[in-house]
Amino acid sequence: AQSVTQLDSQVPVFEEAPVELRCNYSSSVSVYLFWYVQYPNQGLQLLLKYLSGSTLVKGINGFEAEFNKSQTSFHLRKPSVHISDTAEYFCAVSRGGSNYKLTFGKGTLLTVNP
Amino acid sequence: DTAVSQTPKYLVTQMGNDKSIKCEQNLGHDTMYWYKQDSKKFLKIMFSYNNKELIINETVPNRFSPKSPDKAHLNLHINSLELGDSAVYFCASGTGNQPQHFGDGTRLSIL
Repeated sequence: AQSVTQLDSQVPVFEEAPVELRCNYSSSVSVYLFWYVQYPNQGLQLLLKYLSGSTLVKGINGFEAEFNKSQTSFHLRKPSVHISDTAEYFCAVSRGGSNYKLTFGKGTLLTVNP
Repeated sequence: DTAVSQTPKYLVTQMGNDKSIKCEQNLGHDTMYWYKQDSKKFLKIMFSYNNKELIINETVPNRFSPKSPDKAHLNLHINSLELGDSAVYFCASGTGNQPQHFGDGTRLSIL
């Protein structure tokens, strides 16, 4: 079975500061990793994905994440945040086989203050 | 063009009623999913269909019955609604290991 742990339920930061949202996963097989963002009263939007290849992946809105297999982590980073980045961020994992269901972390609420 | 569309967006009803949520995707994906997001924002898989075949059924009460008439549609029917069914239900679609695309959700409130 796979599981995802998002270590921080809330992260408050000031505008233009850097931010890191932490995600660790556990799985007995190779996995695929994703970060999704959810703005209030909206659906989930993909920020970035790791399927294979380069461990540093870049996504939309200036976000990037690094896959670290030895530490089973996939932390999300942004060098300078904006007020508009305020949202709930979800780390998710899937694996191959007969289905690719997503297992989500509990989410991290990023609040960017002026 | 909306890639994954769900209707209705809001659903307010009373305990004991039966209701349905519809989902359609125009991305040509093979697999469709239903996820439930509870009041604490936790997301959990409920069902998955691949080309009209049920492949995931995650310990969901049998009051919930998904139906997939074709690979572009996946509906969710809920019988005898209970207070604990209040949640946001998300439909998603995908192919293989590629990212899943989500609808905007259906916010179900049970009075």
